[in-house]
Amino acid sequence: GNSVTQMEGPVTLSEEAFLTINCTYTATGYPSLFWYVQYPGEGLQLLLKATKADDKGSNKGFEATYRKETTSFHLEKGSVQVSDSAVYFCALSNNNNDMRFGAGTRLTVKP
Amino acid sequence: DVKVTQSSRYLVKRTGEKVFLECVQDMDHENMFWYRQDPGLGLRLIYFSYDVKMKEKGDIPEGYSVSREKKERFSLILESASTNQTSMYLCASSWGKETQYFGPGTRLLVL
Repeated sequence: GNSVTQMEGPVTLSEEAFLTINCTYTATGYPSLFWYVQYPGEGLQLLLKATKADDKGSNKGFEATYRKETTSFHLEKGSVQVSDSAVYFCALSNNNNDMRFGAGTRLTVKP
Repeated sequence: DVKVTQSSRYLVKRTGEKVFLECVQDMDHENMFWYRQDPGLGLRLIYFSYDVKMKEKGDIPEGYSVSREKKERFSLILESASTNQTSMYLCASSWGKETQYFGPGTRLLVL
């Protein structure tokens, strides 16, 4: 079946550090891949997505590339800010309309 | 902008009570979803619906039921609340396998 495995947290970084959160997936066919972010006290919101192999999703300085050969969709940001502190979820969606989420990675950025 | 609203942000109920959680979306999305979110477990799908009066079980439907009488509204029902149903409940909606849009969540405490 479809599943997503993401890096366990929590992750604590200093402001302006480089961020990588690893995500790998298992799926049949050609899923779409997503990163969602959840700020404290809020629901999830889409951060970025990619719908086919080699696509790069990007938003707010975050990037992730859909790598079919390694079944990965790692999230990166070159210089994190305190305001990036949140929980990040990797997810995939396939033909049957439901979405599979990773367990979430809590990021804390310290000034 | 898509808006998904949930009837309550916080609820406190007693064991054995019947609990209704309501979700409304304003973008004419065909799909609607109920998840629960627990620390370390990510999001787990309870039920989803791809059309009015249609419903499908997710990964953890036991102890829950749903109702979708109108396209914009999807209700989650706990027939007899138990303490192990204390959780954050998230509603989402989408077109097909595209981006899901989430409500702010309802934090339910069952005493």
